[in-house]
Amino acid sequence: AQKITQTQPGMFVQEKEAVTLDCTYDTSDPSYGLFWYKQPSSGEMIFLIYQGSYDQQNATEGRYSLNFQKARKSANLVISASQLGDSAMYFCAMREGLDTGNQFYFGTGTSLTVIP
Amino acid sequence: AAGVIQSPRHLIKEKRETATLKCYPIPRHDTVYWYQQGPGQDPQFLISFYEKMQSDKGSIPDRFSAQQFSDYHSELNMSSLELGDSALYFCASSSRVRTDTQYFGPGTRLTVL
Repeated sequence: AQKITQTQPGMFVQEKEAVTLDCTYDTSDPSYGLFWYKQPSSGEMIFLIYQGSYDQQNATEGRYSLNFQKARKSANLVISASQLGDSAMYFCAMREGLDTGNQFYFGTGTSLTVIP
Repeated sequence: AAGVIQSPRHLIKEKRETATLKCYPIPRHDTVYWYQQGPGQDPQFLISFYEKMQSDKGSIPDRFSAQQFSDYHSELNMSSLELGDSALYFCASSSRVRTDTQYFGPGTRLTVL
């Protein structure tokens, strides 16, 4: 079974509008971390936001927020006030357990296009 | 702030040749990870090292090997290269005190002809 599922291969959003990118995860480990990365066309992987499984509040980093719904096993990324520079591929990832060095499982990504 | 350094950034090899990719983690990061990303695909985990010991292992072919050195830099050695090895290879590093968030380097784009 896929550990991370991103069901939106492509999304479009108008500049200055908000957009939600979906991510669901599958794990039986009570300790895990959820991450979002942005990959522009230049190829680098840019860390955006982190949510720990025991965190009570949703994570926020500037215009990025993570809508964490533990019971539904979802960790959606919300980008507010979209900018043209937000056009990129977005990957959701999960680390299971607390052991240092554990691999990240990535979803298949969502390609976001911001329309002027 | 210092980032993960990878070298070379681009590499072109012939089939059956060998290649060595290098990774220099962010200072004071003790864990390095290697990922392979094919065109239009998500990154696939290869291997990780914590304090110079192998920590986790993914879908790394037997033709590949890696190690982490005393200065924490890491090298990925790839032998008997195949056309299917053409991909973007990322190194990432993390520190336990930073929630193990993995910070990625710019990647090495390997092309096998």
